[in-house]
Amino acid sequence: GAGVSQSPSNKVTEKGKDVELRCDPISGHTALYWYRQSLGQGLEFLIYFQGNSAPDKSGLPSDRFSAERTGGSVSTLTIQRTQQEDSAVYLCASSLISRAGYGTQYFGPGTRLLVL
Amino acid sequence: QKEVEQDPGPLSVPEGAIVSLNCTYSNSAFQYFMWYRQYSRKGPELLMYTYSSGNKEDGRFTAQVDKSSKYISLFIRDSQPSDSATYLCAMTPWEAPRGFQKLVFGTGTRLLVSP
Repeated sequence: GAGVSQSPSNKVTEKGKDVELRCDPISGHTALYWYRQSLGQGLEFLIYFQGNSAPDKSGLPSDRFSAERTGGSVSTLTIQRTQQEDSAVYLCASSLISRAGYGTQYFGPGTRLLVL
Repeated sequence: QKEVEQDPGPLSVPEGAIVSLNCTYSNSAFQYFMWYRQYSRKGPELLMYTYSSGNKEDGRFTAQVDKSSKYISLFIRDSQPSDSATYLCAMTPWEAPRGFQKLVFGTGTRLLVSP
């Protein structure tokens, strides 16, 4: 079946502009996660959705970052007034939550953001 | 100090070699341990996961966890050029009532297997 998809694949923007990144999770997956991968860094957790609610936003680096999820499916990560340090690969993952409380996270290919 | 430490490499080996990839961690709450493989310009894909100390084998891959030393390893036998990728360890505490666990990743080790 179809995996996690993300769009755009690449995004180049100018400092100060807003950007929107989209994630389409695997159909039926209730949990959705956003991570950021910077050069030389591991994946950094940003935010988690269970259904349409976000019980854990602890990883969002500043109030310029926000995310929403509608219909328990598609999610959008928005970065306002982008800065050069926002340049990174933004990865989305989705999972089913098992009765045991854990589900394998399946990752999309990522959106490569470059802020000039 | 990072919660999870992983040597970035690159690690270069000839085809057929046994590869050992390692991570150390500091948070004793971590209970689930995973290894992801990431090819260039792709998202990570789960290779193996385990939640107990000891070894778990899957084909050419063996995951090893030593909770007393806070040390995990991934061994790849008979390495192939197609194994060339970045290998990321990830771990998470047991938080069943919350229904999810935030993954904490190492920085990844880049592996190059030459023919």
